[in-house]
Amino acid sequence: AQSVSQHNHHVILSEAASLELGCNYSYGGTVNLFWYVQYPGQHLQLLLKYFSGDPLVKGIKGFEAEFIKSKFSFNLRKPSVQWSDTAEYFCAVLGSYNTDKLIFGTGTRLQVFP
Amino acid sequence: DTGVSQNPRHKITKRGQNVTFRCDPISEHNRLYWYRQTLGQGPEFLTYFQNEAQLEKSRLLSDRFSAERPKGSFSTLEIQRTEQGDSAMYLCASSPWLSGELFFGEGSRLTVL
Repeated sequence: AQSVSQHNHHVILSEAASLELGCNYSYGGTVNLFWYVQYPGQHLQLLLKYFSGDPLVKGIKGFEAEFIKSKFSFNLRKPSVQWSDTAEYFCAVLGSYNTDKLIFGTGTRLQVFP
Repeated sequence: DTGVSQNPRHKITKRGQNVTFRCDPISEHNRLYWYRQTLGQGPEFLTYFQNEAQLEKSRLLSDRFSAERPKGSFSTLEIQRTEQGDSAMYLCASSPWLSGELFFGEGSRLTVL
């Protein structure tokens, strides 16, 4: 069965610090990978996605993620965080030919202080 | 607003009662998903539809849970004989076919006393 691991449960940063959130998945076949974000009081929304091609994917608000197949990883990065990036971040995988359900990780809560 | 709409936003019920949640997806989306989320956890898959057909249901879902999507438009999720462990946020999402990108509603929070 597919699974997604997010090892950073809670991250606290100051504004302008760099961010990297880890995401590892377990599935040996072709995968589609996603990062979703949930701002306080808002619904989940897509931050970025990887289907194929360039393994470095750029998303909204300056976020990017790199797909490293050999490491089964899809880490999220941002060079300089802002207070408005305070949110919960979820990695998700869609990776089986006979199902179209997204499997989510447990999430990482990011707090950014001014 | 043309996003995914869920009602009610918050439901408080007593143990043993039945509850029903409704989801109105984005109109041109033919896939509709239900997830459940508890504190500190990511969304957990429950079931999904393509048009009116229920294509997959989580094995973790007990027989007390049922979902429908008549006519391939809105969907309902019913929980019968609620238990305290059912307390959670129930999320609905819709998607264009094969896009993989889910558009989520704001969720329906269930509290079982």
